[in-house]
Amino acid sequence: AQRVTQPEKLLSVFKGAPVELKCNYSYSGSPELFWYVQYSRQRLQLLLRHISRESIKGFTADLNKGETSFHLKKPFAQEEDSAMYYCALHTGTASKLTFGTGTRLQVTL
Amino acid sequence: DTAVSQTPKYLVTQMGNDKSIKCEQNLGHDTMYWYKQDSKKFLKIMFSYNNKELIINETVPNRFSPKSPDKAHLNLHINSLELGDSAVYFCASSQGTGPYEQYFGPGTRLTVT
Repeated sequence: AQRVTQPEKLLSVFKGAPVELKCNYSYSGSPELFWYVQYSRQRLQLLLRHISRESIKGFTADLNKGETSFHLKKPFAQEEDSAMYYCALHTGTASKLTFGTGTRLQVTL
Repeated sequence: DTAVSQTPKYLVTQMGNDKSIKCEQNLGHDTMYWYKQDSKKFLKIMFSYNNKELIINETVPNRFSPKSPDKAHLNLHINSLELGDSAVYFCASSQGTGPYEQYFGPGTRLTVT
């Protein structure tokens, strides 16, 4: 069965420091991976997806099939990056998204 | 111009009651979902509908019954509420069943006392 693991519940970094939010997946098929973000008092929204290979708000994520990882990175954290981040795996034809347990990113001055 | 809306935002009720949560999307999407987020912020899919037909049912107790009167609406009815049903319920939609972006509603916080 598919699984998404986010090992850190909380990641606290200083403003300007690099950020890496870890995500590992387990899936026998071809994975489609996403990062979703939930800012305080806002709804969950898509941050980026691996198939588009784009950078959003300075964040990037590379799919590493050998390590079954899809870590989210940003070179310089900003206060406004503080939020809950979820890694998600899309599987099958029924559009099922399996979410990781989420990592709360806290950027402090 | 809200894309995915849910009502109510908050719901406080007693064990054993029956309650409904409504969801509407104005994005013209074909696929809608219900997710449950527990107290530890773990988000898990419950149901998915495509063109008003159920396509995912993640072993949810049959006290939970989704209903999709049309493509724009997916309601969730819960019978005989239990303490463990307390959670935030999110509705979402996407343009189809492929790996499309899912658009989420604001959530409904259900508290069962």
